[in-house]
Amino acid sequence: AQSVTQPDARVTVSEGASLQLRCKYSSSVTPYLFWYVQYPRQGLQLLLKYYSGDPVVQGVNGFEAEFSKSNSSFHLRKASVHWSDSAVYFCAVRGGGYKVVFGSGTRLLVSP
Amino acid sequence: EAAVTQSPRSKVAVTGGKVTLSCHQTNNHDYMYWYRQDTGHGLRLIHYSYVADSTEKGDIPDGYKASRPSQENFSLILELASLSQTAVYFCASSDGTGGAGDQDTQYFGPGTRLLVL
Repeated sequence: AQSVTQPDARVTVSEGASLQLRCKYSSSVTPYLFWYVQYPRQGLQLLLKYYSGDPVVQGVNGFEAEFSKSNSSFHLRKASVHWSDSAVYFCAVRGGGYKVVFGSGTRLLVSP
Repeated sequence: EAAVTQSPRSKVAVTGGKVTLSCHQTNNHDYMYWYRQDTGHGLRLIHYSYVADSTEKGDIPDGYKASRPSQENFSLILELASLSQTAVYFCASSDGTGGAGDQDTQYFGPGTRLLVL
């Protein structure tokens, strides 16, 4: 079985500052990992995904994430945030089957 | 561009009434999913389908039925709506469930806000 924990329900950062959103996963098999973003009153959109290989994966809009097997983590990072990055971010994991398990989400607020 | 649409976008229903939420995808995807979103719980899988005329139970199927009459359409049915079913419902589709390509990516609709009174 898979599970995902996003320990921070809300994160506030200043525009231009760097960002890290935390994600811890549990999986009995090698996981497939995802970050999705949800803008207000919209569905989720894929930011990036990790299957294997280089543990740092690049996504859209300057986001990247780093997979760590030893820490069971898949943290999302961005070097410099913009006000338009304000949204809810979901980490998700898929094990060997069909099901993708989503975390509870982290609401990001970028302050001017 | 993959496209998933949902109708209605919002609905107010009465307790004990029947509610049908509809989802349509133009992606030619085999897999379709219904999730509900509640504050603090993220997304939870209700039902899914990988082929027309067949549906499977997800993690929280109680109180919900699903119907997949064609590859493009997937409905969620609340036969007897209850207060606890007030939530935002998302439909999604994907090409498959494996592989390093785009198969795993789920494409989401804009959601339906359901309020049961």
